[in-house]
Amino acid sequence: DIQMTQSPSSLSASVGDRVTITCRASQGISNYLAWYQQKPGKVPKLLIYAASTLQSGVPSRFSGSGSGTDFTLTISSLQPEDVATYYCQKYNSALSFGGGTKVEIK
Amino acid sequence: QLQLQESGPGLVKPSETLSLTCTVSGGSISSSSYYWGWIRQPPGKGLEWIGSIYYSGSTYYNPSLKSRVTISVDTSKNQFSLKLSSVTAADTAVYYCARQETYYDFWSGSQGRGWFDPWGQGTLVTVSS
Repeated sequence: DIQMTQSPSSLSASVGDRVTITCRASQGISNYLAWYQQKPGKVPKLLIYAASTLQSGVPSRFSGSGSGTDFTLTISSLQPEDVATYYCQKYNSALSFGGGTKVEIK
Repeated sequence: QLQLQESGPGLVKPSETLSLTCTVSGGSISSSSYYWGWIRQPPGKGLEWIGSIYYSGSTYYNPSLKSRVTISVDTSKNQFSLKLSSVTAADTAVYYCARQETYYDFWSGSQGRGWFDPWGQGTLVTVSS
């Protein structure tokens, strides 16, 4: 089974900071990767699919990159409403989620 | 606007079968463009995919749960359902249903099963006697 490892597990940053979250696959998965945002007590929301395609309606400060085994989700300028846990999900053959990265405001 | 709503008992006894239904509104479950999936989240923990189904009845499951999971679809009611047998306290979680996008997989030349959007509101199922 291909394992998805997210890092860091949590981070604290200031408003306006550039934030980067990493997701690493134990084997290559091409670009078959999605990112979700889950705000406290809320339903997960799709942000990005195909590693770098922004879902309609998602603010442009969110971006995704990577291919193969290493992927990143970047928030170019952290906003208070971005406080959430972020999950990556691979979807080639078997499907699985990463462990999540909790983002807080410093 | 497509909406999904989970329904079912909020409390299940250990060793019994958990049964949930997801009702889809604002769109047809019989679309060839989508699968329909179940995902769960134990309190304070991460997301775990359970399995997915196509309108034709084709299913695929998380290998770690496959022996206990059955997902079915009722196109006449625009619903799909989850059954998880022999539950324990470890199955206590918020259970979500979601639409799963498909795409053309150039590597295999077939329909790929992708990401989830939108999601239902989720329903908490507690396993306890």
